[in-house]
Parts: sequence; structure tokens; C-alpha cells
Amino acid sequence: EDQVTQSPEALRLQEGESSSLNCSYTVSGLRGLFWYRQDPGKGPEFLFTLYSAGEEKEKERLKATLTKKESFLHITAPKPEDSATYLCAVRVLMDSSYKLIFGSGTRLLVRP
Amino acid sequence: GAVVSQHPSRVICKSGTSVKIECRSLDFQATTMFWYRQFPKQSLMLMATSNEGSKATYEQGVEKDKFLINHASLTLSTLTVTSAHPEDSSFYICSARFGRDNSPLHFGNGTRLTVT
Repeated sequence: EDQVTQSPEALRLQEGESSSLNCSYTVSGLRGLFWYRQDPGKGPEFLFTLYSAGEEKEKERLKATLTKKESFLHITAPKPEDSATYLCAVRVLMDSSYKLIFGSGTRLLVRP
Repeated sequence: GAVVSQHPSRVICKSGTSVKIECRSLDFQATTMFWYRQFPKQSLMLMATSNEGSKATYEQGVEKDKFLINHASLTLSTLTVTSAHPEDSSFYICSARFGRDNSPLHFGNGTRLTVT
């Protein structure tokens, strides 16, 4: 069964304290891994797409990496405005169509 | 960039009534739209996939007659929750894909449905 697991469930950081969020997956055929940011009461906002092991993408204080079993979202010197829930999703082929399977997210709180 | 607009953002309705949620793609024509449901502190669960001009494809366990999806044009999809019950209270989010299958999804801001 295709599965996506994110850890930790929640993370509290001090401003400037770098850390990493994990997304591990077990899928029959990965067709892309996506990272989204979701603010309370809002829809997810697209951050990155990764397709192959070894690939890395960066955007401001965020860097996403991918291996054959997991992806990391590294946050360097976070600021309070980085507080949000970060979701990862894997794209798989199911029933002849592509679908996204989401993890349950990591709730990040960055304290000033 | 592409923008997906969802309306209303919040709705409260009485048990037994129906509620319609609209999802519009503002800048581009969406080849496919998706409807998700999200419970507090939980993941997004795909409810159905809709392509313009054809019937929606529902995920296992999602009642077709309860959650009616209409995708009449390349810029508009609607989800109607019929005969709503308190257990239908949830956060409903639509998303659209513009272009090829491997394009990322762009999400609306969601609709918080409360059934009293």
C-alpha cells in the first residue's frame, strides 16, 4: 500500500535555529514528490517538486532534497513568518490516472 | 501565476440542506480539477477528480449522490454537498492542474463547512 509519513508531527524552533523536516514514502512507482506550505484556514501553497534521487531545490530559507526512500525539507535560520504546516505529497499512478497522496504534515512554529 | 479561487470561504448550514461550493481557475484553463477534504490536523484526502465535460471520478468510499461534482467549463468546477449532516462538517479544498500530468497542483483557499 502506498504510504507517506511525515515527521515530526510538530516542531518548535527559535528564530535562527535551523532544522529539517522528514517525509518518508513507500510507493510502487514515484512520479514526483511535492512540498507544500499550508497556513491555518488556507489551501496549500506549492513550494517544490522533486523527481529523482539526488535532486535538490532551494527557495529562500528552504531547501528540499530527495532520496529513494525519503525527502527532507531543510529550513535554514527560520523566521517567525515561516511558521506553517508543511505538507509533502507523492504522485503515483493509480487506476490508470495520476494521484497525489499527502502526508499528515509537520506543524512548524518559529518563535521570535 | 495561475490562481484558483474558491467560494465561499465559510458556510454554516442546517442539517438536511444542500450547499454548493465553487472553484474557479482565474488565469488559465484547468485540464483537471480535484476536490479534497481535510479534517483538523489531518492530511488532505482526495474525494474526486473531475475533467471538463465528463463525469467525475470518485475515490473509494465517497458517495457520488451525496457529493455532486459538476465541471461544466475549463474554468469552473462545483461541489454540492446534498442533504448535509453534521458529520459532513469539514474543510473542503479544490485544486486545479494546468497543463501536463506532472504539473503541480494549485489549490484554492478552502471552504469551512459547518452543519448544525
